[in-house]
Order: sequence, then structure tokens, then C-alpha cells
Amino acid sequence: DGGITQSPKYLFRKEGQNVTLSCEQNLNHDAMYWYRQDPGQGLRLIYYSQIVNDFQKGDIAEGYSVSREKKESFPLTVTSAQKNPTAFYLCASSPLAGAFNEQFFGPGTRLTVL
Amino acid sequence: DQQVKQNSPSLSVQEGRISILNCDYTNSMFDYFLWYKKYPAEGPTFLISISSIKDKNEDGRFTVFLNKSAKHLSLHIVPSQPGDSAVYFCAASILTGNQFYFGTGTSLTVIP
Repeated sequence: DGGITQSPKYLFRKEGQNVTLSCEQNLNHDAMYWYRQDPGQGLRLIYYSQIVNDFQKGDIAEGYSVSREKKESFPLTVTSAQKNPTAFYLCASSPLAGAFNEQFFGPGTRLTVL
Repeated sequence: DQQVKQNSPSLSVQEGRISILNCDYTNSMFDYFLWYKKYPAEGPTFLISISSIKDKNEDGRFTVFLNKSAKHLSLHIVPSQPGDSAVYFCAASILTGNQFYFGTGTSLTVIP
């Protein structure tokens, strides 16, 4: 089955620790995205990548880092510099970069920092 | 600053009736709009889209209307079914850009 997988579904970490969220897609999509969702807020873009070995900051990139070494993988690291890391994180992909493309979303990872 | 707003956090509708979900935007450069549907513990799924050259787009029970002068779009679901109960997000973009801007979502409950 083609799709986007995010693991784990729930993640708990102690304050001050870096944590990496996994996102894998087998849709052969060029572009991948990371969003954050907080209660009462819309999805906010953290980072996006249009092609392997390239990525761009979104609106709320501070405290996060990404890599795109393979087309199918776009891991997100939440660093200790992120002041409010507890949130629901969504990964998405689209066939091509560009805002004319529908984005396909993974099931999300809920990160709780204790 | 929220460029896409959904001012109704929740909406309840009887099964078989029409559901109308509203979305407002502030950036007049937006020219492409989408609606996504999200069930709990799942990622959003694409529902319907509209570009600014049109004022209406239909897909089965779902119709999106765009009023560019008012910077407003709405999603109509007719007839509403219990399986439509979900959170609906509208999103807007500039076609030449690289990202979507999402609203805060409206939780629709369809009562059997």
C-alpha cells in the first residue's frame, strides 16, 4: 500500500532532550513537509523539502532541524531549543513542490515533553 | 498572524440536512483553496479544491463556494451523514508559492 508512515504514534521525552520524529513515504513524491498542530490553531509549517538534499524553513522553524538524504525520508528533530515542543506533528508529501499540489498526510505523532 | 480563519470551532447538524462550513482569509494574493477532512488520530485527507478563476466547485455531496470580493469560502455538504463527523480545515495558497496556510478547523458533528 502506498502512503506516508510516521512513527511512533505517541512519543514521550524529558525536557532538554532532542528527539527525532520519523516520516517515510513510498509514493515517489518529490516534496515533503512537516507541520505542527496545537489546540485551537491551524497547521503551521515547520520545514519543507522540494528535492533531496534541499530543504527550506517554514513559518516556525526555530528549535527544529530536518534532513533529506533520501527521497522517501524526511526526519524531523525537535531540539532542546524548541521552547514548547509538546504538540501533534504531521508529515505530508506532494508529487511536486508548489502550492498547486494536493498534499497527502501521515497519521501524525503526538509528542509530549515531560 | 492567522491569514486563514475558521471562526466556528464547532457545528452540529441533523443527518440529512445541509452542513455549511465557513472560512475567511486576509491575503488577497491567495488564489487556490482546499478543504481537508480529519478524523481523530489520523492525518487530514484532501476533500475538494477551488481556484480563484471559479466561484463554485462540486464533487458529489460536497460543494465549495468562493467569494473573492469578500475573501470568503464555504463548504456545503448535502445531505450530511454521520460519517461526515470530523474536523474540517480550509487551506489557502498562492499558486506560484510553496506552502499552504491552514485555518484552525471546524469540528462537525452530524447527529443521526
